[in-house]
Amino acid sequence: GAVVSQHPSRVICKSGTSVKIECRSLDFQATTMFWYRQFPKQSLMLMATSNEGSKATYEQGVEKDKFLINHASLTLSTLTVTSAHPEDSSFYICSAQTGVLGQKLFFGSGTQLSVL
Amino acid sequence: KQEVTQIPAALSVPEGENLVLNCSFTDSAIYNLQWFRQDPGKGLTSLLLIQSSQREQTSGRLNASLDKSSGRSTLYIAASQPGDSATYLCAVASRGRTGANSKLTFGKGITLSVRP
Repeated sequence: GAVVSQHPSRVICKSGTSVKIECRSLDFQATTMFWYRQFPKQSLMLMATSNEGSKATYEQGVEKDKFLINHASLTLSTLTVTSAHPEDSSFYICSAQTGVLGQKLFFGSGTQLSVL
Repeated sequence: KQEVTQIPAALSVPEGENLVLNCSFTDSAIYNLQWFRQDPGKGLTSLLLIQSSQREQTSGRLNASLDKSSGRSTLYIAASQPGDSATYLCAVASRGRTGANSKLTFGKGITLSVRP
């Protein structure tokens, strides 16, 4: 099956710093990537949808200036948490699809962000 | 707004038991429904995907059914094993904000523990 690689798997940073998370589709071209956030014992919440070469579409309540998403190529999307604060501590997961509606999504292994 | 509910939040069964995990959703206008497995601190593994036109899908000891009109899906696990212990998430794909992509709405998951 298709593989989505997400790095880093865990990051600890100081409050006020920025953190970049990478999501790569290893053996297929991902025209669309999704970024989710998951708090303990909660469901995954979609943050934004990014299509290669265009601006990301953010879900209601997600600050686009705080969570910068870049989808510069068909195999790479990045999420940058700018000026991170302790309340940004969460599990972030990316997923990718080939852009066809109704097709299976493939998920990365997630990034646990802890902001001190 | 689509809402996905999974009850109960946790389930503990003895090894060998057949079990059913339930999922309900509020909006029947879906593209598909997926069941995922998530191990602690890890990403998601897709187990089964049922397209909106299908009634069920099977993979090994797993069988998932979909009743779109009533907004329900079940995941049947036969002859459960300790290795099946994980959180099982149900997600429905529906029209995204832009219309060009689908959006997954997740339930909170059911944490399954299979006792040896």
